[in-house]
Amino acid sequence: SAVISQKPSRDICQRGTSLTIQCQVDSQVTMMFWYRQQPGQSLTLIATANQGSEATYESGFVIDKFPISRPNLTFSTLTVSNMSPEDSSIYLCSVDRGFTEAFFGQGTRLTVV
Amino acid sequence: GENVEQHPSTLSVQEGDSAVIKCTYSDSASNYFPWYKQELGKGPQLIIDIRSNVGEKKDQRIAVTLNKTAKHFSLHITETQPEDSAVYFCAGSSSNTGKLIFGQGTTLQVKP
Repeated sequence: SAVISQKPSRDICQRGTSLTIQCQVDSQVTMMFWYRQQPGQSLTLIATANQGSEATYESGFVIDKFPISRPNLTFSTLTVSNMSPEDSSIYLCSVDRGFTEAFFGQGTRLTVV
Repeated sequence: GENVEQHPSTLSVQEGDSAVIKCTYSDSASNYFPWYKQELGKGPQLIIDIRSNVGEKKDQRIAVTLNKTAKHFSLHITETQPEDSAVYFCAGSSSNTGKLIFGQGTTLQVKP
């Protein structure tokens, strides 16, 4: 399995501000993904973080709201921009080692007030 | 695109009984089907997965079956224990993309 570290584990933020979430993996991985889990709901894919190029966003998610970086094969960041209470969710980083298994970090629990 | 439906949304069993959670998928190109267990305040933990080239996989008390023709797969937990109580998610993915599409989740309660 892959060891995935996410920071911060939780945060309470003021509306209108931005938060950057970090995802660090203990080894190089082919693919990294960012998911959102709204309270009591299932997981929804936000985007695929591509190493060395722009992220690929799913329908309903845009780069201006959720800018993503992936400078190398072990690290990625997700920024939640101009936050509103509706952005309160758990944000999860996931990695897939060459289409074999998909693992998740512990997530970042975000509350926007 | 892929759509994954999961049933039931809640499931309550007595300790020692079996629990079965079922999922259906829509995209015939999907070929990877993982199951996750999520405990309160934690990220999803991969508990078992199956690929489309096999029909069944077992790991101790947990098993997963896949019917490609009918596009459904199921999680079977035998001899349930209170520690099995959690939310379980199924997912489907195509190896071409690696993206996971999740079911709605099943809250399993195992009563002592």
